Amino acid sequence: GQNIDQPTEMTATEGAIVQINCTYQTSGFNGLFWYQQHAGEAPTFLSYNVLDGLEEKGRFSSFLSRSKGYSYLLLKELQMKDSASYLCAVRAPNYGGSQGNLIFGKGTKLSVKP
Amino acid sequence: DTEVTQTPKHLVMGMTNKKSLKCEQHMGHRAMYWYKQKAKKPPELMFVYSYEKLSINESVPSRFSPECPNSSLLNLHLHALQPEDSALYLCASSQDPQASGNTIYFGEGSWLTVV
Repeated sequence: GQNIDQPTEMTATEGAIVQINCTYQTSGFNGLFWYQQHAGEAPTFLSYNVLDGLEEKGRFSSFLSRSKGYSYLLLKELQMKDSASYLCAVRAPNYGGSQGNLIFGKGTKLSVKP
Repeated sequence: DTEVTQTPKHLVMGMTNKKSLKCEQHMGHRAMYWYKQKAKKPPELMFVYSYEKLSINESVPSRFSPECPNSSLLNLHLHALQPEDSALYLCASSQDPQASGNTIYFGEGSWLTVV
């Protein structure tokens, strides 16, 4: 079966650093995506990892360990506008045909406090 | 430009109505998707079109009928829906259905309420 786990909710303080973890067990793996979704809006692409290691994009970084089935999204210098849900999604072969489509975790709701 | 445009943004329909949701992208993407998202839940895949052909139907009831008139357009025809079908319907696209690393870009979604 396919399973993606991430914490349901997290709270952090403006200016701080927060790490959102994601673990997955899927039949095959073709990459892991992180999306940000504000309430009432569509998901917005943040990052993509297919090889082990860290990908950095400004205040956001994402890490992947394929052997551990583990990823995290790191947000630095938190701002109030970072309050949103963060979705971990795995692309698995043979799920949805061709190179596969996205299987989403349930999302982590991040609240940034002043 | 990574824009996927969906219309309408909000739709209220009765259980006997027939309506359509529309999606458009001009990025030359050859894979297009419909996802359904209920409140506080992750998106769930409904349909995948690959090179304008339906490649995946994730056991979606026949009251939802997708259509891909050309490589830029994707429609979702709605008929005899139930109140539990009320949700955010997300259209998405990616460049090449055969390539694993293509990012999937989402439109802003259409909020559907069935009364």
